[in-house]
Amino acid sequence: DARVTQTPRHKVTEMGQEVTMRCQPILGHNTVFWYRQTMMQGLELLAYFRNRAPLDDSGMPKDRFSAEMPDATLATLKIQPSEPRDSAVYFCASGLVIGGRGNTIYFGEGSWLTVV
Amino acid sequence: AQSVSQHNHHVILSEAASLELGCNYSYGGTVNLFWYVQYPGQHLQLLLKYFSGDPLVKGIKGFEAEFIKSKFSFNLRKPSVQWSDTAEYFCAGYMDTGRRALTFGSGTRLQVQP
Repeated sequence: DARVTQTPRHKVTEMGQEVTMRCQPILGHNTVFWYRQTMMQGLELLAYFRNRAPLDDSGMPKDRFSAEMPDATLATLKIQPSEPRDSAVYFCASGLVIGGRGNTIYFGEGSWLTVV
Repeated sequence: AQSVSQHNHHVILSEAASLELGCNYSYGGTVNLFWYVQYPGQHLQLLLKYFSGDPLVKGIKGFEAEFIKSKFSFNLRKPSVQWSDTAEYFCAGYMDTGRRALTFGSGTRLQVQP
């Protein structure tokens, strides 16, 4: 069964530390999304890539967050320095988008981040 | 701006009751619509999707949804809920313009009482 794989599954870190979350999209998918889920804000789109190129990162705080896709099998989301308000579940999702038409997006199991 | 809205934030039902969760989207062009379910402590899983064709789509676990273009709606239904359906349900839409990313509604928390 093809699936989106995320690491780490759980992370507890101290404020000010760097956090890197990794995602392996489903092989063949050309679009990768990073979402953040909190009780207060629900699901927020942070950034997404198509064919490894960043298309939109307007949902991401630029001063501390960065997202990259160094190759087709790896997407990363980095927070530096981390703050308690970054505590959330971070979901990576991937899908195959052709000709501007959407397709099913598959979600990873999430990285549960707690910043203390 | 394109958006997806869910008006029921928290729904409590007894087992065997019928379910209908509302979802509306605001976009006049081509839209793909999805319902995802998130069980407690888990990730989002696809329940069903609509791209084109028959506006009544059937998904997993006995769920179905009806796309009504004139009402900009895509409501989720299930004739008889079970305790195991307790979860959060998200409607999402992919519009072929703007951000071109899946836009989620705020979610509806369903609690089914035995």
